[in-house]
Amino acid sequence: ILNVEQSPQSLHVQEGDSTNFTCSFPSSNFYALHWYRWETAKSPEALFVMTLNGDEKKKGRISATLNTKEGYSYLYIKGSQPEDSATYLCAFGDNQGGKLIFGQGTELSVKP
Amino acid sequence: EPEVTQTPSHQVTQMGQEVILRCVPISNHLYFYWYRQILGQKVEFLVSFYNNEISEKSEIFDDQFSVERPDGSNFTLKIRSTKLEDSAMYFCASSPRLGVEKLFFGSGTQLSVL
Repeated sequence: ILNVEQSPQSLHVQEGDSTNFTCSFPSSNFYALHWYRWETAKSPEALFVMTLNGDEKKKGRISATLNTKEGYSYLYIKGSQPEDSATYLCAFGDNQGGKLIFGQGTELSVKP
Repeated sequence: EPEVTQTPSHQVTQMGQEVILRCVPISNHLYFYWYRQILGQKVEFLVSFYNNEISEKSEIFDDQFSVERPDGSNFTLKIRSTKLEDSAMYFCASSPRLGVEKLFFGSGTQLSVL
């Protein structure tokens, strides 16, 4: 059974803090690793899709790295803002189809 | 910006009743998906759909579930005889292509089976 785990489950930080969380996934049959940002009552929104070992992606203050050999990805947020408060989901794909295996998410709360 | 829309946002039904969840994917997208999240659990894949047929389905997607693209714009998920354990947030998603492609999600339908 393919399993994706995220840690921590929740995180509370102050505005301006930098933070990071982890996604662990199977290191075999890897195709792609997705990160989504999901605010309450809204649609999950794609942040990154990564495929290559060593890949690093950046979008504003958010960046992600990928290690396919050991099966982990980190998501970093630099200088957290209250609007970054959301659940961050990672999802593993083992083929080119759209079937993704999701982690349980990391719920981030940024206090002003 | 184009978005995936889902209706209704909330649906309450009695156990044993049929429900149809509706989705309008982004217009030029070709691949369509249903996912769901039971409260407190992970988001889980149900089914993918392309060219008017199911591409892949999970073990959850048994004979009680069906999908359809009846008119070229809507994409529906039908649950024939709902069970208590079908209560979940159901998400529709679409993508323009296969491969390394992000999914565009709708905001979900919260289904409550009583």
